[in-house]
Amino acid sequence: EIVLTQSPGTLSLSPGERATLSCRASQSVSRIYLAWYQQKPGQAPRLLIYGASNRATGIPDRFSGSGSGIDFTLTISRLEPEDFAVYYCQQYDTSHMYTFGQGTKLEI
Amino acid sequence: EVQLVESGGGLVPPGGSLRLSCVGSGFAFNTYAVHWVRQAPGKGPEYVSAISANGDSTHYANSVKGRFTISRDNSKNTLYLRMGGLRPDDTAVYYCARGSGLYCFDFWGQGALVTVAS
Repeated sequence: EIVLTQSPGTLSLSPGERATLSCRASQSVSRIYLAWYQQKPGQAPRLLIYGASNRATGIPDRFSGSGSGIDFTLTISRLEPEDFAVYYCQQYDTSHMYTFGQGTKLEI
Repeated sequence: EVQLVESGGGLVPPGGSLRLSCVGSGFAFNTYAVHWVRQAPGKGPEYVSAISANGDSTHYANSVKGRFTISRDNSKNTLYLRMGGLRPDDTAVYYCARGSGLYCFDFWGQGALVTVAS
């Protein structure tokens, strides 16, 4: 099973700043199999990025994804107040299994 | 508007059984794979199970294999999860999620809380 490790665990920033969130896999992951989600308290996760760098429908262009192999990054270019939440990366492997990282909490 | 609405959660004693349902609307339910994903309190999401669009293929996480059964009734736009042999570590919010076809989940329900405790 591929393990995803996210860092940092908590990121403290202010509105207007740039956020860089990391997701490292225990073995190489194809770009097409890597996604990012945002989750706010009491809500379900919301798809942000699929295929490592493609924004989901309705996602603002301040969100971007990059990376390959074992290292992937979610960048939020200029934080808005509504961006403070928990972010998860997720991968799919060819044994039909999906795994999630443990999350990065983005706080003000 | 795509919607997924779960029901059937509740409190169940260890060793007990429960069936969750998820009704989909606003899309062609019978053309999408659908999944169950759970999230224990304060933890990240954990994949549980998947079923193909026509129901002929299913997959399970090792943690639930042999105890949980996924099924669907496309005539009712409904996904099910039959859970048996429940353990305290099965306590979580259970979400149904639509497979996007691109190895991720593009729409999620609001979740159903399952608590396993005596």
